[in-house]
Amino acid sequence: DVKVTQSSRYLVKRTGEKVFLECVQDMDHENMFWYRQDPGLGLRLIYFSYDVKMKEKGDIPEGYSVSREKKERFSLILESASTNQTSMYLCASLTGTANTEAFFGQGTRLTVV
Amino acid sequence: AQTVTQSQPEMSVQEAETVTLSCTYDTSESDYYLFWYKQPPSRQMILVIRQEAYKQQNATENRFSVNFQKAAKSFSLKISDSQLGDAAMYFCAINPGGATNKLIFGTGTLLAVQP
Repeated sequence: DVKVTQSSRYLVKRTGEKVFLECVQDMDHENMFWYRQDPGLGLRLIYFSYDVKMKEKGDIPEGYSVSREKKERFSLILESASTNQTSMYLCASLTGTANTEAFFGQGTRLTVV
Repeated sequence: AQTVTQSQPEMSVQEAETVTLSCTYDTSESDYYLFWYKQPPSRQMILVIRQEAYKQQNATENRFSVNFQKAAKSFSLKISDSQLGDAAMYFCAINPGGATNKLIFGTGTLLAVQP
């Protein structure tokens, strides 16, 4: 059974903290993605990676960075968390073929207080 | 740039009835891929159906079918014989393919199913 696993389902952090959201996939997929989900705004792409150590900005990269040191792991980093980063974060992975299904983690609901 | 628009924030359907969710998109690519994903309260995203733009035939998966109008850049989802388990958020998405392999999503439609 294919799997994308996010390290936390719920997370509460303080303003100014450095926050790491981890995502691991076991499908040997080339592409990995971080989305942010907010009511009325859908899923917005923050960053994605098509290979180890490669990264591309999505539509809303400001305030975030990413790391992909190994193929199976893609980390989202909030350098200095702010209250407007309170949201649901979804990780996804995809093969190198565009018509294939993306697989998603269960989501991390991050609250910044 | 690619965009996906879902103009219905919420929809409601009676059990056993049919409902259609709307989606329009914009892309400059000629070969691309369209998807409908379902997100139930568990938050786990599930692929419902996919359509390749070069195929004229509308995709069908059991009770789910699409109406793909390439010229109009429209990709609606029809759910027949609606069931209580169909209640969820539905997202339309496009993968433009080509040099960039990524999914761009719409804002979603929350579907309620009334018993």
